[in-house]
Formats: sequence, structure tokens, C-alpha cells
Amino acid sequence: QSVLTQPPSASGTPGQRVTISCSGSSSNLGRYYVYWYQHLAGAAPKLLIQRNDQRPSGVPDRFSASKSGTSASLVISGLRAEDEADYYCAAWDNSLSGSYVFGTGTRVTVL
Amino acid sequence: EVQLVESGGGVIQPGGSLRLSCEASGFDVSNNYMSWVRQAPGKGLEWVSVIYSRGDTFYAESVKGRFTISRDNFKNMVYLQMDSLRADDTAIYYCAKRGFEWELTHWGQGTLVTVSS
Repeated sequence: QSVLTQPPSASGTPGQRVTISCSGSSSNLGRYYVYWYQHLAGAAPKLLIQRNDQRPSGVPDRFSASKSGTSASLVISGLRAEDEADYYCAAWDNSLSGSYVFGTGTRVTVL
Repeated sequence: EVQLVESGGGVIQPGGSLRLSCEASGFDVSNNYMSWVRQAPGKGLEWVSVIYSRGDTFYAESVKGRFTISRDNFKNMVYLQMDSLRADDTAIYYCAKRGFEWELTHWGQGTLVTVSS
């Protein structure tokens, strides 16, 4: 059972803006960076956002993210067909002996 | 170029053991934090374990006491020894390289483990 909660699904038409939320607690998002991963069907997961809001080299600028307190969000501006994938937030969690936790995941569908 | 290639997956009976391997190229595993992440069928990503550059290891509660992460610096390989396997360990297992913080910057293609009688 994940400690980071995301909506199970989100959708939009090409060109629309889609926002995915990630809700955590003081032991994870409230203390540590949030990361976002894109997981296309049949492929390896890909790092999309690091350290709350930084895009690694090669990630299109239509992907943006922010964090405030124990919540975070990922925004896809100008949705494209190739953005249809599962998206996960993640963070270190210092409860118990410490672990890296992924969010429950959000399936983005391009209508 | 950083590359990670997992191997060792397969079908194993409940209670059995399996060792997964992750062959790294383009960097030294000895100087990096390496993780295993899994995805069960129809489920989300679940972090399994990490080995730090200094050798410290951490595990998810779900595998603690049953799985062991290790590495061979000479072969530039990372391993995941999985014992007392259960049906809910069935998943694709990915090897991943951590960056400076907790960003998992590079991932392998994964290896499928099926625990079934």
C-alpha cells in the first residue's frame, strides 16, 4: 500500500492541459524531494522530473511540476498522443527504517 | 553510454529462490547507488532495495529478510538474491541507477519473475 496518493486516471484531448496530483505526508513529501516518472507500456520507466521541479536533459518543456508542503503536482501542457502513459510520483520516506516510495500511479489517456 | 541489462528471471515455485543480475556499463556500480524496483501484473511501481556506494543496504518492508542486494565491483554487476519467494513477488524487476539525490536516472528493460506452482 503506497503512502503517496495519486488519482487513478486523467485524460484530455491533444493540446489540452492535464494536472496530476500527488499527496503525501511529513515523512516523505514534507521533507524530501519529489520525483516524477513516466512509464510507457512495454518500456522501462523514465525519469521525467527530479528534485521537485527540474526537467532532466531531453524532457520536453511541456512537462512541469511543483511541490508545496506534503503535496505535489505534475502538469502536462499541450498534451500529445505520445504522452499516453502511466505517471508516478516518488520520494524517500523516513518512516520505519527508510524506503523509497512510489505513488499509486495515474494513467493518462489522450482522447 | 549508461546501460543496464537485467537477467535471471523465470518461473519458480513458491518457497523457492532466484538470483537476478544487473549488468552495468558506462559507469562503475561501486561509485553509485543502485536500486531494484518491481511492477506486479496490473499494479504500480514498487521500490524493492538499494545498495549505497559505501555498501549500506536498505529494503522495502515487503521483502526484508527474504531478499538480499549485493554487487560485484570487478564484474560491474548488481544482484538481487530472492529467497522464500511468494506468489505476490511475481513481477517485472527493474534495475536502476540513482543520481546525486534520489532520482532514478537510468533503468534496465526489466526481467520477469513468476512465482507459481
